[in-house]
Amino acid sequence: GENVEQHPSTLSVQEGDSAVIKCTYSDSASNYFPWYKQELGKRPQLIIDIRSNVGEKKDQRIAVTLNKTAKHFSLHITETQPEDSAVYFCAAVDSSYKLIFGSGTRLLVRP
Amino acid sequence: SAVISQKPSRDICQRGTSLTIQCQVDSQVTMMFWYRQQPGQSLTLIATANQGSEATYESGFVIDKFPISRPNLTFSTLTVSNMSPEDSSIYLCSATKLLGDRVLSDTFGSGTRLTVV
Repeated sequence: GENVEQHPSTLSVQEGDSAVIKCTYSDSASNYFPWYKQELGKRPQLIIDIRSNVGEKKDQRIAVTLNKTAKHFSLHITETQPEDSAVYFCAAVDSSYKLIFGSGTRLLVRP
Repeated sequence: SAVISQKPSRDICQRGTSLTIQCQVDSQVTMMFWYRQQPGQSLTLIATANQGSEATYESGFVIDKFPISRPNLTFSTLTVSNMSPEDSSIYLCSATKLLGDRVLSDTFGSGTRLTVV
């Protein structure tokens, strides 16, 4: 089955700097890769997603890249702000449409 | 995307008892899933709730412990049976809308924080 690995587990950046979170997946049949932001005590919220027929997608300060050959995808947050502090999860949707999550990255943006 | 109402939001239960968690979606969805999230951890898939048939369980989860129902396209329940303190966790449902084989949206319920004493 699908396996998703995520790095780093924690990331601390200065406000205004960029943050990059990387994930790899194992199932070449996976074709949908969402990213979730989870604040303390709240449900995961979808922030951006990418499909396997696209290499990059941007939404304001957030971008995601996908390398199908290498089976890895990354989240890029530019001009980070303190409100970006949260836990971020990558995920891959397998052939049964199940979301398989990475282990999460705790992002801290220092003012 | 769909909006999910999940109940209860939290509960404290005695060991040996059972708790049923409900998720109601505001529109018909193709797939519904149940996850468990231990404090500070990622989400682990428990099972796929299949409409009108038995749920499909992931490795390490069994029907006797986590019976699931999905009587229609907008509602599902998860029961945590014969609870022990190790079952203390957050339980979340999710709903997926598909168009053909294309995922349109994935949405999560607000979660149920379960404490077993």
